[in-house]
Amino acid sequence: KQEVTQIPAALSVPEGENLVLNCSFTDSAIYNLQWFRQDPGKGLTSLLLIQSSQREQTSGRLNASLDKSSGRSTLYIAASQPGDSATYLCAVSGGGGNKLVFGAGTILRVKS
Amino acid sequence: DAGVIQSPRHEVTEMGQEVTLRCKPISGHDYLFWYRQTMMRGLELLIYFNNNVPIDDSGMPEDRFSAKMPNASFSTLKIQPSEPRDSAVYFCASSQGNQETQYFGPGTRLLVL
Repeated sequence: KQEVTQIPAALSVPEGENLVLNCSFTDSAIYNLQWFRQDPGKGLTSLLLIQSSQREQTSGRLNASLDKSSGRSTLYIAASQPGDSATYLCAVSGGGGNKLVFGAGTILRVKS
Repeated sequence: DAGVIQSPRHEVTEMGQEVTLRCKPISGHDYLFWYRQTMMRGLELLIYFNNNVPIDDSGMPEDRFSAKMPNASFSTLKIQPSEPRDSAVYFCASSQGNQETQYFGPGTRLLVL
């Protein structure tokens, strides 16, 4: 059974700092990995999707990497801003590619 | 596009009552997913459909839960009878194609007293 772990559970940083969020998964037979953002009381917003054949994806200040063999992914956020404060969730897909298994998330707070 | 639409946004009901949650996926998307989020268990996939056909319902917790998708633009998740442990946020998501990005609705916050 796939298990996804996110470290750290919570992170507080000053504005402008670069930061890394970590995600690990137990079964390397995945189709893709997605990073989502969730604001309090809201739904999830997809940030990046990395196919299993890819090593990384970039969108603006965000860069996500994937090492399928070791079961790890990182989300790098450059020059953090208070608006980045949210919960960040990692999810991997298996079982036909559509069954997402989520980690518990990292709660990020960027202080101004 | 308006995105995935869910109704109601909030629902408070008493134990034993029937609850129906509704979802309208993004137009043109052929996959629809129902998730449940709780503090204890996080986000869990309950069931998903492809072209209105249920593909995997292994996440549905018990027979009290049922889901239907009568057409490409509408799905329901029903709980009958509801119990306090069903209290959670229920999300609907849709995607276009297999293994593609899933777009989530705002969720329905359910409280069963």
